[in-house]
Amino acid sequence: DIQMTQSPSSLSASVGDRVTITCRASQSISTYLNWYQQKPGKAPKLLIYGTSSLQSGVPSRFSGSGSGTDFTLTISSLQAEDFATYYCQQSYRNPRTFGQGTNLAIK
Amino acid sequence: QVQLVQSGAEVKNPGASVKVSCTASGYTFTDHYIHWVRQAPGQGPEWLGWISPNSGATYFAQKFQDRVTMTRDTSIASAYMELSRLRTDDTAMYYCARDADRVVVSFDYWGQGTLVTVSS
Repeated sequence: DIQMTQSPSSLSASVGDRVTITCRASQSISTYLNWYQQKPGKAPKLLIYGTSSLQSGVPSRFSGSGSGTDFTLTISSLQAEDFATYYCQQSYRNPRTFGQGTNLAIK
Repeated sequence: QVQLVQSGAEVKNPGASVKVSCTASGYTFTDHYIHWVRQAPGQGPEWLGWISPNSGATYFAQKFQDRVTMTRDTSIASAYMELSRLRTDDTAMYYCARDADRVVVSFDYWGQGTLVTVSS
């Protein structure tokens, strides 16, 4: 199975900050990488698919980049509603696997 | 609007089976695969497999191949996931999620989740 490792596991930031979360795959996955946001008690929400394509309705302050094994999710200017847990997920090979998550908290 | 509505919480004894339903609305049910994903408390999501509502074809993660069954009923736009021989470490929130039907498989709509608790 392809292992997905996120860093950091947790992060504290303030409204207005620029934040970057990293995801590393255990082998090359081309650009078959998605990002999800999850708030407590809710299902995950798709933010970005195919490394850098914004899902419909997602604010443009979210962006993604990378290829091969290293990927990043960037939030250009944090808003209050962005404090949540973020997961990367690879769709290169079955089984589809997720990272362990990055908890983004208010500083 | 697209919605996936799941059945209610379940409490099961070890060794029992559980069947979770997922009813779709707001789109053509047979046009999108349905995936099942679970999430244990405090853990990242774990993918179980998918079902094609159109053909009924399925694909399961190897870890669950001998214990999971996925079916569908197109007449009521519903998909089902049954997990047998439950263990305490199967305690998790179980989600159905719609495949966005893109080159890169992604899950664009999710059910609200069904909490399955396995305890003696």
